Amino acid sequence: DTGVSQNPRHKITKRGQNVTFRCDPISEHNRLYWYRQTLGQGPEFLTYFQNEAQLEKSRLLSDRFSAERPKGSFSTLEIQRTEQGDSAMYLCASSMFRGPGTQYFGPGTRLLVL
Amino acid sequence: DAKTTQPPSMDCAEGRAANLPCNHSTISGNEYVYWYRQIHSQGPQYIIHGLKNNETNEMASLIITEDRKSSTLILPHATLRDTAVYYCIVSDAGGTSYGKLTFGQGTILTVHP
Repeated sequence: DTGVSQNPRHKITKRGQNVTFRCDPISEHNRLYWYRQTLGQGPEFLTYFQNEAQLEKSRLLSDRFSAERPKGSFSTLEIQRTEQGDSAMYLCASSMFRGPGTQYFGPGTRLLVL
Repeated sequence: DAKTTQPPSMDCAEGRAANLPCNHSTISGNEYVYWYRQIHSQGPQYIIHGLKNNETNEMASLIITEDRKSSTLILPHATLRDTAVYYCIVSDAGGTSYGKLTFGQGTILTVHP
């Protein structure tokens, strides 16, 4: 299966620690999105890459969050100095340049900040 | 992107058609209607999308009213595995939104035996 993969699937950390998540999109997809989902809510957009360029960031993405997509392949999302409010499911999705609304999501990384 | 309104929950008997409505009265001419679903603890899954015409694929059918202010997702023969949260999303599919999807609360569809 060559779908979107995310690692790790689960992460438990203590408040104040840094965490990094990885997303491997479908290989021919040049658009990549990060979303965050809290319990009982729909996913919320965080940021978007076209190839290696980060073209949009939500105001939800505070300065403790940083995302990269070196060489336009995999992407990482780092959260520095985690807070309990960062506990959520972090979802990655990818799409073709044409038809970006048709996105393929990974299984997500569930973060719990203690 | 235009907002959507969906019922919070619906029930359906296994083997029957599930018809999930969505209102999007402020949709603009370049905006598509997308449907995704999310099975518990999984990432969302793309189902279908359309602009004006009705669409059908192996998963579902999408009926869009002529004025485009509402749509219905039809699962023709619902199974227990179709139990999920269904999201109706309006997006200009690129344009100014880069394909960014704005998810609402969705409809929790429960298929029962």
